[in-house]
Amino acid sequence: DQQVKQNSPSLSVQEGRISILNCDYTNSMFDYFLWYKKYPAEGPTFLISISSIKDKNEDGRFTVFLNKSAKHLSLHIVPSQPGDSAVYFCAAKRGTSGSRLTFGEGTQLTVNP
Amino acid sequence: SQTIHQWPATLVQPVGSPLSLECTVEGTSNPNLYWYRQAAGRGLQLLFYSVGIGQISSEVPQNLSASRPQDRQFILSSKKLLLSDSGFYLCAWTPGWPYEQYFGPGTRLTVT
Repeated sequence: DQQVKQNSPSLSVQEGRISILNCDYTNSMFDYFLWYKKYPAEGPTFLISISSIKDKNEDGRFTVFLNKSAKHLSLHIVPSQPGDSAVYFCAAKRGTSGSRLTFGEGTQLTVNP
Repeated sequence: SQTIHQWPATLVQPVGSPLSLECTVEGTSNPNLYWYRQAAGRGLQLLFYSVGIGQISSEVPQNLSASRPQDRQFILSSKKLLLSDSGFYLCAWTPGWPYEQYFGPGTRLTVT
């Protein structure tokens, strides 16, 4: 049972435009959400997170939106840069799971110059 | 600052051979530690996690095992590798709060 889903395996955008990466979840017990960025042959790096008590969190060019009623979160990157090309994973934490995270399958973002 | 190390970076092993991957964390104490696997074209699958020395929880039954002999050392092992064990193995740590996990550079394992 895939509780965190990233339905788009890939996304291609032009440099300077907005990138929107989507993530859906099924478990209403998730209370904390995170986005990670991963380059090939490297470990993922943390980007941004959001608690379920918020609906938006912003950090520079990155903004995460959470819609709890739809069980949906999205990551907006504005403006997109070629260096943003990577695989992006969303992850979620259940309130009772300690610090364990459940990851989505990832979306490959390609930003074209 | 905290640093996480993994070795080896790459490994090619024949089917049926043993495996030992090591992960160490510097600059923190009593971290929560995790082993993940990323198979080709797939997401991150949690294999094991540990909240303290000698405390190991398994998420997926398989021929892999994990041990935590010291506070900041986490080891992933197998007695006999299978072809399906090929993948990119990642170690991660978190202080518990905040919840962000920090990943090591990974080990690319190819079982032939």
